[in-house]
Amino acid sequence: EAQVTQNPRYLITVTGKKLTVTCSQNMNHEYMSWYRQDPGLGLRQIYYSMNVEVTDKGDVPEGYKVSRKEKRNFPLILESPSPNQTSLYFCASSSERREQYFGPGTRLTVT
Amino acid sequence: DAKTTQPPSMDCAEGRAANLPCNHSTISGNEYVYWYRQIHSQGPQYIIHGLKNNETNEMASLIITEDRKSSTLILPHATLRDTAVYYCIVRVAGNNRKLIWGLGTSLAVNP
Repeated sequence: EAQVTQNPRYLITVTGKKLTVTCSQNMNHEYMSWYRQDPGLGLRQIYYSMNVEVTDKGDVPEGYKVSRKEKRNFPLILESPSPNQTSLYFCASSSERREQYFGPGTRLTVT
Repeated sequence: DAKTTQPPSMDCAEGRAANLPCNHSTISGNEYVYWYRQIHSQGPQYIIHGLKNNETNEMASLIITEDRKSSTLILPHATLRDTAVYYCIVRVAGNNRKLIWGLGTSLAVNP
């Protein structure tokens, strides 16, 4: 089954404790993106990647890092999480000229 | 990418057609109109897309005006499971960079 998986689905952590949210797709897509969704602000793109080793900033990249060492994986790294990064996070993938497939989401709470 | 404008909320009776409008008056000639929906806090799901011709698939129909400045998503026989937030976005084919998602239209299908 074609899908985008994210782990963990829920995470509660404390300020400053480094964390990684994994994202994996099994559709051999070139494009992958990370979004965060906050009430009243909608979906905002954090980072995107056009292929292996090619990444670029989206609208809200501050406080986040990404890497794309393999085509199927696109982890989101929070080196020093802060409470303003409490949000619902989505990973998405697509092939060129096609629609995006979204993961189920990761709900992160930073206390 | 062009910005879109959608009504914040709409209601529809179960079994009736739901017509969701979207304004994209600044759309460029090479930008497609995409529709996604998000049920509760799940990952957004692709519905349909088009460039200038009307499109239909098993989920919905997309009507794009001749000047391409607006479009309407039609769910021909809405069910309770169609209750969701519907997003209209425009983008150049193959370009997933900095997509502007907006807040969408919250559609409530009532029994």
